[in-house]
Amino acid sequence: AQSVTQLDSHVSVSEGTPVLLRCNYSSSYSPSLFWYVQHPNKGLQLLLKYTSAATLVKGINGFEAEFKKSETSFHLTKPSAHMSDAAEYFCVVSEGSGTYKYIFGTGTRLKVLA
Amino acid sequence: NAGVTQTPKFQVLKTGQSMTLQCAQDMNHNSMYWYRQDPGMGLRLIYYSASEGTTDKGEVPNGYNVSRLNKREFSLRLESAAPSQTSVYFCASSDRGGSSYEQYFGPGTRLTVT
Repeated sequence: AQSVTQLDSHVSVSEGTPVLLRCNYSSSYSPSLFWYVQHPNKGLQLLLKYTSAATLVKGINGFEAEFKKSETSFHLTKPSAHMSDAAEYFCVVSEGSGTYKYIFGTGTRLKVLA
Repeated sequence: NAGVTQTPKFQVLKTGQSMTLQCAQDMNHNSMYWYRQDPGMGLRLIYYSASEGTTDKGEVPNGYNVSRLNKREFSLRLESAAPSQTSVYFCASSDRGGSSYEQYFGPGTRLTVT
């Protein structure tokens, strides 16, 4: 069975410092992995996705994530936080060619301090 | 190109009342989904429609019904609302099923049942 764990429910960083949001997954097969961002009172927007191509995935707004099979991790990083990055971030796992199911993590709320 | 649209944005119901949440997409996607989002729990799948004319239960279907009216529209009905159904509801669509296809989300409907 597949599952996803976001290791921090809240992360605070200062503007201009690096961001690290951690995600571990469990999957019986080769999964696809996604990061979505949700700004307050908005819908979810795709940041990036991994689908078994390059293990380092670049997304929008300077975010990137690295798929590490040996560690079953897919952590999200950004070199320098902006105030506009304050939002909730969801790690998502999906597996199988015929699946219609996403499994969401419980979310990490990122706070950016001026 | 509006993407995924949902109506209404906000709704307050009394226990026992019924209502239908509407969702439409203009991306010619085959698959559509309904999720609910509760604090600290990520998103959970209520129902999905793999293609026009088909619907299937997700993780938390009890108390809900759905209709895939045509390729564009997918509605969610609460026949007899309960306080436990207070949540934010998101509709999503994807080109097709399969783990590599990202889902596109609407802005959400905030439902309160008193």
